[in-house]
Amino acid sequence: QKEVEQDPGPLSVPEGAIVSLNCTYSNSAFQYFMWYRQYSRKGPELLMYTYSSGNKEDGRFTAQVDKSSKYISLFIRDSQPSDSATYLCAMRRVDSSYKLIFGSGTRLLVRP
Amino acid sequence: SAVISQKPSRDICQRGTSLTIQCQVDSQVTMMFWYRQQPGQSLTLIATANQGSEATYESGFVIDKFPISRPNLTFSTLTVSNMSPEDSSIYLCSVELGSQETQYFGPGTRLLVL
Repeated sequence: QKEVEQDPGPLSVPEGAIVSLNCTYSNSAFQYFMWYRQYSRKGPELLMYTYSSGNKEDGRFTAQVDKSSKYISLFIRDSQPSDSATYLCAMRRVDSSYKLIFGSGTRLLVRP
Repeated sequence: SAVISQKPSRDICQRGTSLTIQCQVDSQVTMMFWYRQQPGQSLTLIATANQGSEATYESGFVIDKFPISRPNLTFSTLTVSNMSPEDSSIYLCSVELGSQETQYFGPGTRLLVL
C-alpha cells in the first residue's frame, strides 16, 4: 500500500465548475501538507501549504485537511482552462526528515 | 520563493554515457534535493545535498550511479552515470527556504536514453 493515494484521473470539467481533488494517506506522522500544480513539461509549482486541520483559502483555491480521517483536499472555484494541469499532493513528517512524499498526481482538464 | 534554473533543459543520450545536470538558485539555501519523475509517475526523492557534507541517498539510489556535488550554497550538480534506457526520466532539483517546511522546484531536465 502506498503511503499517499491520489486518483490519477483524468478529471474533465466545464469552465466555471468547482473542482475537488483529493488525497488519502496512511501515516499519521505526516503533519505538513502541500499541493503542487505541474503544467506539461514544467516543474511543480507550489500552490498551497498547510500544517493544521481545517481550511486554508487563497483566491480561488481552498486546501482542506482532515487529520482524523487522513484525508486532504484541494478545491478550485470558478475553474478556468488555464487550470488544466496535473495536481500533486505532497506531505512530510513532523520530525527532522525533509523528505516529501508525493501522490501520483491528478490530471485536470477544464473545457472552455 | 526562489528562482531555480536547471541545465540542460533536455538531452538525448546514448546508452553507457553519463550526463551532468546543473541546478542554480538565486539565493543561498542550505537544503537542496534531487528528484526523479518517471513517465506517468510521481516524484521520487533521489538524494538530499547539503553544502559541505556528503549527499544522503534514498533507498534504491546509490552514489556510484548518481554522484552529486554541492560546492556552495547556490549550486549543485547531479550526474547520471552509465545510463540505460531505464534512466529516461525528468530530473528535478528543489530547495527548502529558511524555516519553511516545503520545497520549491526547478523546471526539470528531460532525459531520453537511447
